[in-house]
Amino acid sequence: DAGITQSPRYKITETGRQVTLMCHQTWSHSYMFWYRQDLGHGLRLIYYSAAADITDKGEVSDGYVVSRSKTENFPLTLESATRSQTSVYFCASTQDARGGYTFGSGTRLTVV
Amino acid sequence: AQRVTQPEKLLSVFKGAPVELKCNYSYSGSPELFWYVQYSRQRLQLLLRHISRESIKGFTADLNKGETSFHLKKPFAQEEDSAMYYCALRGGSEKLVFGKGTKLTVNP
Repeated sequence: DAGITQSPRYKITETGRQVTLMCHQTWSHSYMFWYRQDLGHGLRLIYYSAAADITDKGEVSDGYVVSRSKTENFPLTLESATRSQTSVYFCASTQDARGGYTFGSGTRLTVV
Repeated sequence: AQRVTQPEKLLSVFKGAPVELKCNYSYSGSPELFWYVQYSRQRLQLLLRHISRESIKGFTADLNKGETSFHLKKPFAQEEDSAMYYCALRGGSEKLVFGKGTKLTVNP
């Protein structure tokens, strides 16, 4: 499923810096999602988007910003990184609101 | 509220033994349930969805609305089944709510 790609794969950043994680899909799927994966918490939804220019918050959206100017891209920005945002971030997409998701390979972010 | 509970963080079985990964959910409407698998340092992959009623890699899962469960079962575990397994629920929207996951280890 090379149709959804995330970059970078690994990122180390300092506390207080702004960092953007990229997600790109080639299927023109309408729906895109950002999750963070943490030991003991599973996957938690950060933000999602139903279409270009339509985004909505998930359960852990504080400190994050998203945009969706083009259907294929859904970047996630940490405005001022904190150590608690050290995590693995997964992007996912689906065309059908009732379908399963296809996930990207993830970005492992470390905030020092 | 939508909630998914996977009571076991870790599950260890021997090769050839049956395995059951438990999943319970909380949702007042008609849910859609999924199982995702994540092999070591790889992306999550869809394993099963309840509406398909299919068997993938020998795994099956049956939705039990009375017990609000969607347990994943395999009669004979293989070493390559070692992975992280996530149960997920979709309620009245396009969002999936995931459980915290169960790490399955199949020992030789």
